[in-house]
Amino acid sequence: EAGVAQSPRYKIIEKRQSVAFWCNPISGHATLYWYQQILGQGPKLLIQFQNNGVVDDSQLPKDRFSAERLKGVDSTLKIQPAKLEDSAVYLCASSLGDQETQYFGPGTRLLVL
Amino acid sequence: GEDVEQSLFLSVREGDSSVINCTYTDSSSTYLYWYKQEPGAGLQLLTYIFSNMDMKQDQRLTVLLNKKDKHLSLRIADTQTGDSAIYFCAETNILTGGGNKLTFGTGTQLKVEL
Repeated sequence: EAGVAQSPRYKIIEKRQSVAFWCNPISGHATLYWYQQILGQGPKLLIQFQNNGVVDDSQLPKDRFSAERLKGVDSTLKIQPAKLEDSAVYLCASSLGDQETQYFGPGTRLLVL
Repeated sequence: GEDVEQSLFLSVREGDSSVINCTYTDSSSTYLYWYKQEPGAGLQLLTYIFSNMDMKQDQRLTVLLNKKDKHLSLRIADTQTGDSAIYFCAETNILTGGGNKLTFGTGTQLKVEL
């Protein structure tokens, strides 16, 4: 069974630029999560989708971050404009349902200069 | 809010047992997890325990849960160099409704020396 796929694996941008990350969850997984992992810290949830609906986006900085999962499968996370403090690894995870174990992708490493 | 704490670093010799500790504050936690993260990689689920259990064993891994003290530990028997990684403790409370947010600790860097 294929795992959670993410792209790109690495991205370097300058502050105030925009960037987008893509995630393809495990086939059949209804729940999708985006986490931000700053160096030296544990991951923190940004947003959780159940199919194409948002369950929890309370920790998402909505002035610059947006995410969508239009067809309930793939998802994109966008940052516009990026700040230096957005440098982190962005992890996507998926689970069968909202009370099931989460499986993580390899992450996208973002460096904002 | 919920908080999960871990010690930052642990060094053991190959063949010894490793014990990684974690404390959490949410008394309503329903599941507690251990994830492994190798350099440049995502998080790999190692094992998890339901909050009404005291112990779970899976091959070289033993998880102990003291719910009264809100203390979770992961014991790795016969630690190998391939076990060198960062280990994250995480908890979730599925009873809060609507979400399944994992709250992670800061991670424990395990270094296995020859």
